[in-house]
Amino acid sequence: GEDVEQSLFLSVREGDSSVINCTYTDSSSTYLYWYKQEPGAGLQLLTYIFSNMDMKQDQRLTVLLNKKDKHLSLRIADTQTGDSAIYFCAESASGGSYIPTFGRGTSLIVHP
Amino acid sequence: DTAVSQTPKYLVTQMGNDKSIKCEQNLGHDTMYWYKQDSKKFLKIMFSYNNKELIINETVPNRFSPKSPDKAHLNLHINSLELGDSAVYFCASSHTTSGQETQYFGPGTRLLVL
Repeated sequence: GEDVEQSLFLSVREGDSSVINCTYTDSSSTYLYWYKQEPGAGLQLLTYIFSNMDMKQDQRLTVLLNKKDKHLSLRIADTQTGDSAIYFCAESASGGSYIPTFGRGTSLIVHP
Repeated sequence: DTAVSQTPKYLVTQMGNDKSIKCEQNLGHDTMYWYKQDSKKFLKIMFSYNNKELIINETVPNRFSPKSPDKAHLNLHINSLELGDSAVYFCASSHTTSGQETQYFGPGTRLLVL
């Protein structure tokens, strides 16, 4: 079945760039998402990318997609303490029933 | 103007009890979902429901049942609660179109079974 994998933890210094990586197995994935979950809160969509795109940039966020390797990354420039959260990668395929598959989440810790 | 809301936010109860968690969305979406997030933050889809189809994750015990009085609500009823049901339960909704289908999540209900 489909699988989405992420590393569990990432620690960066404030002001540095963070890169969170994700791999997936479903070659029919159409949309790939990044969600952010702050402590005690629900998931919030950060950004998404369509599978025919290689890159998407939105302010401090850059999403890179390597469809051949089924690898997705999220780069956060100038990481701030407020970026500390869990980041979930998710994928879905269009057509049929839409049920996204989520990774286990990467805990980003930003220290001064 | 909350998009997806859940009640209660916290729920503490004894083993064996029956409880319900309510979810409402005011986004006009046609599909709603329930997720369970365990202590390790793993998100598991439990149900996906629109007015045409209920999709159940086969690993979900039949003690869990979704009930939808209308398109804007999908409540989760749990019978005979067990210790392992302790988790955070998230409701979500989306508009199912042929394009991108972003899910909007509620704030979660923290269930503790004693």
